[in-house]
Amino acid sequence: DAKTTQPNSMESNEEEPVHLPCNHSTISGTDYIHWYRQLPSQGPEYVIHGLTSNVNNRMASLAIAEDRKSSTLILHRATLRDAAVYYCILLSGNTGKLIFGQGTTLQVKP
Amino acid sequence: DTAVSQTPKYLVTQMGNDKSIKCEQNLGHDTMYWYKQDSKKFLKIMFSYNNKELIINETVPNRFSPKSPDKAHLNLHINSLELGDSAVYFCASAAGGKTDTQYFGPGTRLTVL
Repeated sequence: DAKTTQPNSMESNEEEPVHLPCNHSTISGTDYIHWYRQLPSQGPEYVIHGLTSNVNNRMASLAIAEDRKSSTLILHRATLRDAAVYYCILLSGNTGKLIFGQGTTLQVKP
Repeated sequence: DTAVSQTPKYLVTQMGNDKSIKCEQNLGHDTMYWYKQDSKKFLKIMFSYNNKELIINETVPNRFSPKSPDKAHLNLHINSLELGDSAVYFCASAAGGKTDTQYFGPGTRLTVL
């Protein structure tokens, strides 16, 4: 299973953009890049996913490098409710298994 | 309406007991999963069922037995509970494709004394 590398923690100020990086240098052609987040005492929550092109939805944007070896989750205006652990996951089209790493703990300061 | 629900939310029991955790989804999904999150907060997949058929079975002790009476339910039965089984267990469901978004339940915190 391909692995991802994320910073352990990041800080942001409220209402400022946040860029959460993820490296996945061993990504294969059938791997989708998924982002989930886990708020305190809750189950993981889907944020966004992509394969090759950049993606936008109501929660965030996903910027994928041209060689697909890295990606960045962008929260356009962080709120206090965005404080969570953010997981970057490679989801294999072969196995269908979500392999969670340690994630990035995002702190949002008022 | 809760999409993926689990009962109970908390479960405290003695070593050696047998217990079950129930999961139900009302999303009409074909695939359901069980994950374990240990004290270090690592989330790890345990099992996956698609239309009541086991499709993923990670290296989990055979004291853990998933049961899917229908595709909306995936229960987890644990025999002879051990201290190391203490964790938060999450159920999830997905439409059916291997790369479909997974929707997680609120979790069941199991404490084995």
